Amino acid sequence: GAGVSQSPRYKVAKRGQDVALRCDPISGHVSLFWYQQALGQGPEFLTYFQNEAQLDKSGLPSDRFFAERPEGSVSTLKIQRTQQEDSAVYLCASSLVRGETQYFGPGTRLLVL
Amino acid sequence: GNSVTQMEGPVTLSEEAFLTINCTYTATGYPSLFWYVQYPGEGLQLLLKATKADDKGSNKGFEATYRKETTSFHLEKGSVQVSDSAVYFCALIGSSNTGKLIFGQGTTLQVKP
Repeated sequence: GAGVSQSPRYKVAKRGQDVALRCDPISGHVSLFWYQQALGQGPEFLTYFQNEAQLDKSGLPSDRFFAERPEGSVSTLKIQRTQQEDSAVYLCASSLVRGETQYFGPGTRLLVL
Repeated sequence: GNSVTQMEGPVTLSEEAFLTINCTYTATGYPSLFWYVQYPGEGLQLLLKATKADDKGSNKGFEATYRKETTSFHLEKGSVQVSDSAVYFCALIGSSNTGKLIFGQGTTLQVKP
């Protein structure tokens, strides 16, 4: 499969627990985006990578959220000390270059109890 | 800032009915406009796009025309099928940002046989 993959698909965390969400973009795609989708809402931008450089993190809701893409391929979104309001679907998307069509992964559904 | 507004759902139609889902936007400059679709249990997929004023995007019988004078990008289909039942998202990429998508809140379409 040549699409964007994400793992895990579902994650249940206790409040205060740390979680790590993984994204495998399409091979060769330079641009990688993370979005957060609350129930019944459209996705909202979190952060953007061009290769390994995080060029925009303006959408990260707090300093508990951290993302990295150390080798310019796989990316990890980490949420520390999870809160109930972090419950959402986290979507990863990649594109060949900035401005080109973004291809989305299936998402990770996070539930914080 | 940039934003997208879609008509409230759900929209319920009978098979072969005409579909319109309204979308208006606010943006500086000349954004690119998109419709994404999310079928039940699947990830977001690009349906169609238009990158400049008066362009018409089309795919799978769906069409949308980029209207700068009315800042609109309404989605239309002449004859819907049950298989078109999904959530539809209007989105834009602003002309001066990192290529992040800004989404509307989504419109659920239910097509009954």
